[in-house]
Amino acid sequence: GENVEQHPSTLSVQEGDSAVIKCTYSDSASNYFPWYKQELGKRPQLIIDIRSNVGEKKDQRIAVTLNKTAKHFSLHITETQPEDSAVYFCAASKGNQFYFGTGTSLTVIP
Amino acid sequence: NAGVMQNPRHLVRRRGQEARLRCSPMKGHSHVYWYRQLPEEGLKFMVYLQKENIIDESGMPKERFSAEFPKEGPSILRIQQVVRGDSAAYFCASSPRRQSNTGELFFGEGSRLTVL
Repeated sequence: GENVEQHPSTLSVQEGDSAVIKCTYSDSASNYFPWYKQELGKRPQLIIDIRSNVGEKKDQRIAVTLNKTAKHFSLHITETQPEDSAVYFCAASKGNQFYFGTGTSLTVIP
Repeated sequence: NAGVMQNPRHLVRRRGQEARLRCSPMKGHSHVYWYRQLPEEGLKFMVYLQKENIIDESGMPKERFSAEFPKEGPSILRIQQVVRGDSAAYFCASSPRRQSNTGELFFGEGSRLTVL
């Protein structure tokens, strides 16, 4: 089966700085890579996703990059704000199966 | 279009009792997933179902846990003879039926089970 590893498990940044979260996956057949944000006590919500035929995708302050050869993908958040504080999960998917990383707890310090 | 609906949101059970968690997927979605989340941990896959079929239950404990998604009505995750270690948030997610590429998973608000 697929194995998704996510680093770091915790991350603290000053407001305005950038945050980067990295994930690796093991199954080269995975072709869809979503990122979810979970605020305390809330449901995980999709913030950005990328498919295997694309190397990079950007949405305002959030960007995701994918390196299929190395089997890793990363989430980049620029100009971080306190409301970016949450737990972020990466996932790798093939077919209708989704495999999640263990999460990164991001704290943005005002 | 209502989102994924889970109930109850909070459930308290004593050891040995049964817990039943319900999930109604988004309208038009025929795929349902259950995940367990322990405090400050990630989302652990439990089971993936389509209507009347269990597609993958590789993440489900072999004993005491079962899941169904009947033709009519919500998906149900059932935990028999609960133990304290079952205390967790149980998230349901749904996705639409797709012929090819996967699509987004939509999560419910979760059911938080506390076993006394």
